[in-house]
Amino acid sequence: ETGVTQSPTHLIKTRGQQVTLRCSSQSGHNTVSWYQQALGQGPQFIFQYYREEENGRGNFPPRFSGLQFPNYSSELNVNALELDDSALYLCASSLSGRALNEQFFGPGTRLTVL
Amino acid sequence: KNEVEQSPQNLTAQEGEFITINCSYSVGISALHWLQQHPGGGIVSLFMLSSGKKKHGRLIATINIQEKHSSLHITASHPRDSAVYICAVRRGAQKLVFGQGTRLTINP
Repeated sequence: ETGVTQSPTHLIKTRGQQVTLRCSSQSGHNTVSWYQQALGQGPQFIFQYYREEENGRGNFPPRFSGLQFPNYSSELNVNALELDDSALYLCASSLSGRALNEQFFGPGTRLTVL
Repeated sequence: KNEVEQSPQNLTAQEGEFITINCSYSVGISALHWLQQHPGGGIVSLFMLSSGKKKHGRLIATINIQEKHSSLHITASHPRDSAVYICAVRRGAQKLVFGQGTRLTINP
């Protein structure tokens, strides 16, 4: 049991809508990373939050945004949804932003955009 | 060419066989992770390596930094080992770069 939880587990939206996905990190972890995994592909890094600040970003447009709260839980927001945003969204928590600290993954939120 | 390449993409074997999954990467890394993903999506971290070899139960992971290559071995494979195995490399403090995964099926 990793202790990382995500909600909701499944979500269906239509093109142009906005969505918010949530992640609760493992107790004591102050860093949350978000990943997008398209069907049949490996996950792609979206961004990372460390102590409530964005701490690195992958190749995703600004309509992908995030927040981290004082309790280190996090949200991923996606505006103006597109069909290609359909994917499994994974969050992972770790103790800090340092390289060698292991990340613990949540179960994911599967987003379908129609 | 992807920064992280795994082989094979798909592997089917019989229960009890020795399994090897390979991962090659083309960039400098600070660590390499082996992850397991079951149907439904949840990812479990199996190993994090920066050098040498690690063993946990029937799983063994090795890394050769000079050759930019890592292998994951499963001894005495079992149907419950059926999953997608993903290699991911850590570049800097923030970013994990993932391979495309190897789908392993172990038949009884």
